Amino acid sequence: GAGVSQSPSNKVTEKGKDVELRCDPISGHTALYWYRQSLGQGLEFLIYFQGNSAPDKSGLPSDRFSAERTGGSVSTLTIQRTQQEDSAVYLCASSLGRGTGPPREQYFGPGTRLTVT
Amino acid sequence: AQSVTQLDSQVPVFEEAPVELRCNYSSSVSVYLFWYVQYPNQGLQLLLKYLSGSTLVKGINGFEAEFNKSQTSFHLRKPSVHISDTAEYFCAVIISGGYQKVTFGIGTKLQVIP
Repeated sequence: GAGVSQSPSNKVTEKGKDVELRCDPISGHTALYWYRQSLGQGLEFLIYFQGNSAPDKSGLPSDRFSAERTGGSVSTLTIQRTQQEDSAVYLCASSLGRGTGPPREQYFGPGTRLTVT
Repeated sequence: AQSVTQLDSQVPVFEEAPVELRCNYSSSVSVYLFWYVQYPNQGLQLLLKYLSGSTLVKGINGFEAEFNKSQTSFHLRKPSVHISDTAEYFCAVIISGGYQKVTFGIGTKLQVIP
């Protein structure tokens, strides 16, 4: 079946512009995560959606970053007034919802490489 | 808060030689442990995981890892590497009882030399 897809695969934007990154999770996965992979910084958690619950935004680095998830499926990560330090690969992952047992496997998309010039 | 340390940013190794990628974690509560692999220009793929039970876990592509609670380590090993193992490897933890937020290490680039 189809995995997690992300678009665009690459995005080059000028400093100060807004960008939107899209994530299509695996069908039936109620949990969705955004991570950022920066050179020398590893992978850092940004935001987590679980069903209809309020998202955990604790990883968003500034108020220029926001994300939404429409209809419990597709998610969009928006970065306003982009800065050069926003250049990174943005990864999306999805999983089955949280249960009472061990964590469910997260399936990652290929990522969107964002370059801010 | 939990953290993950991967001491080696790059590990060069000759083809067919054994390799060990080191991972140490810090957490005040129990954790679940994972290794992910990222091939060039691809997303992350789960290599193996430790949830409970046997401390030696086997994953895909001949990799295995051993959970050592006393040393808070989860080192990844393979007895004989192949060129196709060239990739970046990430150690990660999820705290027990948490909602599944993954904390990753900074990654180790494995370069297999022909």
